[in-house]
Amino acid sequence: GENVEQHPSTLSVQEGDSAVIKCTYSDSASNYFPWYKQELGKRPQLIIDIRSNVGEKKDQRIAVTLNKTAKHFSLHITETQPEDSAVYFCAASRNQAGTALIFGKGTTLSVSS
Amino acid sequence: GAGVSQSPRYKVAKRGQDVALRCDPISGHVSLFWYQQALGQGPEFLTYFQNEAQLDKSGLPSDRFFAERPEGSVSTLKIQRTQQEDSAVYLCASSLVGQIATNEKLFFGSGTQLSVL
Repeated sequence: GENVEQHPSTLSVQEGDSAVIKCTYSDSASNYFPWYKQELGKRPQLIIDIRSNVGEKKDQRIAVTLNKTAKHFSLHITETQPEDSAVYFCAASRNQAGTALIFGKGTTLSVSS
Repeated sequence: GAGVSQSPRYKVAKRGQDVALRCDPISGHVSLFWYQQALGQGPEFLTYFQNEAQLDKSGLPSDRFFAERPEGSVSTLKIQRTQQEDSAVYLCASSLVGQIATNEKLFFGSGTQLSVL
């Protein structure tokens, strides 16, 4: 089955800096890669996703890149703000009926002002 | 409703007690997933429903865990004879269609935090 590894487990940056979180996956058939943000005690919220037919996707200050050959994908947050502080999870799936998302263990991002 | 709703928000159980956790998915959503999230970890898949059919229960950790969705909407996750290692947040998530397609999204509830003493 799919296995998703996520690094780093914690990341501290200064406000305005960029943050990068990396994930690798094992199942070459996976073709859907979402990123979720989870604030303490709250539900995971989808912030961006990418499918295997594209290599990069951007939405304002966040972007995701995908390298299918190497089986890794990354989340990039630019101009970080204190409200970006949260736990971020990457996930992967085959994006077909009934296939569950497999999550990484999460990255705790702390943005200090 | 506006989103996925779960109840109770918190549940404290004595070891050996049975518990039932409820999930109300977004109206009309076909797919429903249950996940278990231990402290400091990512969500781990438990089981999947497409309408009322439980198509995958490979993630259920033991036969003490049982889930149902009898009418294809509300789902209940039941844990019998709870153990301390069952303590976790149980998340429910739903998506619109049975097959994830382009632009399909998975929406999570806020979870039930289960503490087994």
